[in-house]
Amino acid sequence: EPEVTQTPSHQVTQMGQEVILRCVPISNHLYFYWYRQILGQKVEFLVSFYNNEISEKSEIFDDQFSVERPDGSNFTLKIRSTKLEDSAMYFCASKFGRGNEQYFGPGTRLTVT
Amino acid sequence: GENVEQHPSTLSVQEGDSAVIKCTYSDSASNYFPWYKQELGKRPQLIIDIRSNVGEKKDQRIAVTLNKTAKHFSLHITETQPEDSAVYFCAASETNFGNEKLTFGTGTRLTIIP
Repeated sequence: EPEVTQTPSHQVTQMGQEVILRCVPISNHLYFYWYRQILGQKVEFLVSFYNNEISEKSEIFDDQFSVERPDGSNFTLKIRSTKLEDSAMYFCASKFGRGNEQYFGPGTRLTVT
Repeated sequence: GENVEQHPSTLSVQEGDSAVIKCTYSDSASNYFPWYKQELGKRPQLIIDIRSNVGEKKDQRIAVTLNKTAKHFSLHITETQPEDSAVYFCAASETNFGNEKLTFGTGTRLTIIP
């Protein structure tokens, strides 16, 4: 069964550094999402992406965050200048169409020191 | 925006007993309600979902009920087994317009006592 994949599984970075989290959604999916989960807390929506543009973003997704779909397979989340509070598990998700199930990737644990 | 409340935050049941987790939502436009199971360090995995045109859905030992009037939905697990131990998240989404983002509840840590 096709799966969403994410790399790296764990990223450690220093405060102020830029990080890029990578996702490969399921190949025929059209809707893409990033969520984050701070340790022990609930999963929170960050941003949705459809038809090569952001369709919605949360208040967490400020100017330090950006997303790209640079080619037909990858979907990336960039944090320009990381802060301690960006430490979390970041999940990518994708789905085929309206009303369909969202499939989650295994996550990238980001640790900002 | 949507707000999803989930209770209880922790739940321990004896193996073989039933477990019930309850969620409420605030946005009457929400019409899709999935439940995800998350084992430690792993991705959330969909275990069952329900849409607003249905009041109940069952899949083997798992069932979900929805009360649109009261804006609450519940997960029922019968004949619990040790492998049911995990964190369960409910979520709500609106699928007619917009981007269909999921708004999650705060999670329930379910422990099955052998």
